[in-house]
Amino acid sequence: EAQVTQNPRYLITVTGKKLTVTCSQNMNHEYMSWYRQDPGLGLRQIYYSMNVEVTDKGDVPEGYKVSRKEKRNFPLILESPSPNQTSLYFCASSFPGAYNEQFFGPGTRLTVL
Amino acid sequence: QQQVKQSPQSLIVQKGGISIINCAYENTAFDYFPWYQQFPGKGPALLIAIRPDVSEKKEGRFTISFNKSAKQFSLHIMDSQPGDSATYFCAASYLAGNQFYFGTGTSLTVIP
Repeated sequence: EAQVTQNPRYLITVTGKKLTVTCSQNMNHEYMSWYRQDPGLGLRQIYYSMNVEVTDKGDVPEGYKVSRKEKRNFPLILESPSPNQTSLYFCASSFPGAYNEQFFGPGTRLTVL
Repeated sequence: QQQVKQSPQSLIVQKGGISIINCAYENTAFDYFPWYQQFPGKGPALLIAIRPDVSEKKEGRFTISFNKSAKQFSLHIMDSQPGDSATYFCAASYLAGNQFYFGTGTSLTVIP
């Protein structure tokens, strides 16, 4: 089944404790992205990647890191999480091209205490 | 600065009615405008998309109307059904890239 998977789905952590949210896709997509979703703010792009070893900042990259060492994986790293990073996070992937349909993962609910 | 502005924030429609959600954008370089649908507990999924070289695109009960001069586009859901109850996001992007700007979302409730 074609899908984007994220782990963990739920995470409660404390300020300053480094964490990684994994994202993997099995559709051989070149493009991948991370978004955060907050009430009243919609979806905001954190980082995106257009190929292996090619990443770029989105709208809200502060406090986040990413890496793209393999085509299928795009982990999101929070080196020192803070309470304002409490949010719902989505990973997405797509092919480049005419209608660039993004396929989203199921989301990761992160709470930073 | 919000690149894409979406309204209304919430919408309640009777079954069989027409739901209309509006978006406006600033950057005339955007050349791809998708709408995504999100059900509670799920990730967003592409519903319909349009490029600025056409003024309207229809897929079943869903239609995008696009006004390039006004820098506005809207989603029309005809014969709205309770199963359409979801959050809808408009977005703007560049076809040649992977950078997306989403609206703030519209929570649609269709009353039976």
